[in-house]
Amino acid sequence: DAGVIQSPRHEVTEMGQEVTLRCKPISGHDYLFWYRQTMMRGLELLIYFNNNVPIDDSGMPEDRFSAKMPNASFSTLKIQPSEPRDSAVYFCASSSRPGLAGPGELFFGEGSRLTVL
Amino acid sequence: GEDVEQSLFLSVREGDSSVINCTYTDSSSTYLYWYKQEPGAGLQLLTYIFSNMDMKQDQRLTVLLNKKDKHLSLRIADTQTGDSAIYFCAETFILTGGGNKLTFGTGTQLKVEL
Repeated sequence: DAGVIQSPRHEVTEMGQEVTLRCKPISGHDYLFWYRQTMMRGLELLIYFNNNVPIDDSGMPEDRFSAKMPNASFSTLKIQPSEPRDSAVYFCASSSRPGLAGPGELFFGEGSRLTVL
Repeated sequence: GEDVEQSLFLSVREGDSSVINCTYTDSSSTYLYWYKQEPGAGLQLLTYIFSNMDMKQDQRLTVLLNKKDKHLSLRIADTQTGDSAIYFCAETFILTGGGNKLTFGTGTQLKVEL
């Protein structure tokens, strides 16, 4: 498996523009997580899905942020409109339940570095 | 990461041992993890320990768990320049459906000097 795939790797946009980040989780994983990493706040969990259903979005900072998972192999995180304080690295991660295959750890993508000017 | 604490920086000489410490808050964590993040990359699982264990050794890595004090440590023996990275500990919360939700610490920047 190629691992968790995120796109774009880098995005530079202007304030007010819409940003869409994409994620392809590892096949067979039934959990998907979106994290945001900044120097000030570290790693923050934004939202997670179980079997494509959003379970907890309490970490989503504002209504400007939305996430979808239309099927088991694709998820998006959208920011509309974007603001400079949204600049961060956004990570997608996927996992399965602990069991014989492993301890249920999260597998991370390489991240999408967003810069909002 | 406000519930999981780590020191921010650690500097060691090549060949020495590194010890990275972590305190967590959720005593019900089933697994505790150590992740490594290299510059410009995502987090990769380094090792983990099950909560009923006190110690786990994996080649150069030794994990110690003190459940009473909620203290976790990672020791890297014979530290190499390639070990320079940010190290995150993480505690777990069991989700509906059996999966794990991880809460990460602030990360410890390890710098290995020649």
